[in-house]
Amino acid sequence: SQQGEEDPQALSIQEGENATMNCSYKTSINNLQWYRQNSGRGLVHLILIRSNEREKHSGRLRVTLDTSKKSSSLLITASRAADTASYFCAISNFGNEKLTFGTGTRLTIIP
Amino acid sequence: NAGVTQTPKFQVLKTGQSMTLQCAQDMNHEYMSWYRQDPGMGLRLIHYSVGAGITDQGEVPNGYNVSRSTTEDFPLRLLSAAPSQTSVYFCASSSWRGQETQYFGPGTRLLVL
Repeated sequence: SQQGEEDPQALSIQEGENATMNCSYKTSINNLQWYRQNSGRGLVHLILIRSNEREKHSGRLRVTLDTSKKSSSLLITASRAADTASYFCAISNFGNEKLTFGTGTRLTIIP
Repeated sequence: NAGVTQTPKFQVLKTGQSMTLQCAQDMNHEYMSWYRQDPGMGLRLIHYSVGAGITDQGEVPNGYNVSRSTTEDFPLRLLSAAPSQTSVYFCASSSWRGQETQYFGPGTRLLVL
């Protein structure tokens, strides 16, 4: 399977701390995306990073991509209670029209 | 813009019944897709469409049919519901290609008894 695998499966941190979650994959990719899902809601796109990029930022989010290790990380700085959600990575490969999602990291921010 | 809308929000079916999950988008997106989400499984692609009149199978297409007669609508049909189809179903769309940013609907929670 070309599915991305997130690590850890669950993470609990204190509000104000930084949260880091990782995604590993098996094959060459076109791009890698991160999505957030609040409980009972649809997924919301956070960041897309292409295979020729190494780092991208969006507000308190920083995504890195290491194609040699086939891995990506999502860093959320200065976490807030509203960041409590599940976070998914999704990978796309050249030559098809599909995104393949991982199983997600459940992040809990403790006030 | 309403974005991606899905109806119904929740549905209970008996085994063997059929139904159609509706999905519509008002962003003039060419690409639309259906996923199912099960606990511990992440999202799995059921069917997708790269434009009106064009559909293709995803990872788990068995038991589901789709059609795309307009750019806006992409209904998902369950032909004969089975308990294994109990899941949360998400529709998504993308402005260009399936590999780019996806915009998700709020989901339909389906329970098959």
